[in-house]
Amino acid sequence: ILNVEQSPQSLHVQEGDSTNFTCSFPSSNFYALHWYRWETAKSPEALFVMTLNGDEKKKGRISATLNTKEGYSYLYIKGSQPEDSATYLCAFRGSARQLTFGSGTQLTVLP
Amino acid sequence: EAQVTQNPRYLITVTGKKLTVTCSQNMNHEYMSWYRQDPGLGLRQIYYSMNVEVTDKGDVPEGYKVSRKEKRNFPLILESPSPNQTSLYFCASSSQPGHNSPLHFGNGTRLTVT
Repeated sequence: ILNVEQSPQSLHVQEGDSTNFTCSFPSSNFYALHWYRWETAKSPEALFVMTLNGDEKKKGRISATLNTKEGYSYLYIKGSQPEDSATYLCAFRGSARQLTFGSGTQLTVLP
Repeated sequence: EAQVTQNPRYLITVTGKKLTVTCSQNMNHEYMSWYRQDPGLGLRQIYYSMNVEVTDKGDVPEGYKVSRKEKRNFPLILESPSPNQTSLYFCASSSQPGHNSPLHFGNGTRLTVT
């Protein structure tokens, strides 16, 4: 079983703060790195799929970077809002067949 | 509307009573997969299917079976459920088995085995 780690496990920020969290994954056999947003009582929704070293993706106030050589990806949220409160999951694809998820970072944005 | 539909949403059953959780997608996706989510452990893959009649074990397949007789359906079967299979289950699909396609998730099935 591949080791995909996310940190921190949880964090609380004030509305308007910017924040970031980390996903670490094996640096060999890289196919892709996924980010998902999972709100309570809903199902996970895809944010980004990143495939190239140095990739940067952006969706509104959320962006992500990728370093495949050292095996990490950062997710950034600029000017956090209460509706950003969710668990953010990363998933590492090391083959065409399987996707391995991290345990997530639970973000709470306080108004 | 493009979606992955799981049923039932909630299920309480007793040890040993066979059950099936259905999963259907209307997006003509080739790849389908089942995950279970337990506190502190994240999503763990149970089984996946690259296409019709092609299924394979994920990381935690023990106690589960699947079938893929049609492209749209990928049921999860628990022949003899046990309490350690109490969990939140998600079915997911993507348009191709390759690396660029994001997963589309169903709404989840919360299973309790007593």
